[in-house]
Amino acid sequence: GNSVTQMEGPVTLSEEAFLTINCTYTATGYPSLFWYVQYPGEGLQLLLKATKADDKGSNKGFEATYRKETTSFHLEKGSVQVSDSAVYFCALSTPPKAAGNKLTFGGGTRVLVKP
Amino acid sequence: GAVVSQHPSRVICKSGTSVKIECRSLDFQATTMFWYRQFPKQSLMLMATSNEGSKATYEQGVEKDKFLINHASLTLSTLTVTSAHPEDSSFYICSADDSPYTDTQYFGPGTRLTVL
Repeated sequence: GNSVTQMEGPVTLSEEAFLTINCTYTATGYPSLFWYVQYPGEGLQLLLKATKADDKGSNKGFEATYRKETTSFHLEKGSVQVSDSAVYFCALSTPPKAAGNKLTFGGGTRVLVKP
Repeated sequence: GAVVSQHPSRVICKSGTSVKIECRSLDFQATTMFWYRQFPKQSLMLMATSNEGSKATYEQGVEKDKFLINHASLTLSTLTVTSAHPEDSSFYICSADDSPYTDTQYFGPGTRLTVL
């Protein structure tokens, strides 16, 4: 079956530090890959996505590259801000509409950025 | 665009009562809606998938008679927690899929249910 593994948190950083959150996956076929962010007390927001190998998703200074050879989709940001403090979820979707486009989530990584 | 709302955002109820949570797609028609449950500091667990006008498909281990899902229109799905108990306390999140040809889900802000 499909699964997503991401590094456990919490990750504590100082402002302007470099952030990397590792994410690897197992899936049948060619899934789309996502990073979602959840701010305290809120639902999830789509941060970025990539739909095929070597695609790079980017948004708000975050980026991640779909690496089929290593089955990875690591999230990076060069200079974090306090406002980036949140929980980040890596996810994949099954091949198009094969199962109602279900998302499989990783366990989430809590990031805390200190001033 | 692609905004999903949930109501209520928080609800506290007594054990044994039923609670209804609404999920609406505000600016698009949702071909499919999903219901998730999230325990504190944990990931999201998919409970069920619903399509307008048809019965929901529940994930293994989810009691369909306890978590009633109605997808009455292309913009509204409801989750009713029947005879709620303290162990049902959780954060419930819905999402909606705006097209059968894309794979992006748009999430609601979540509903915090506390059963006393």
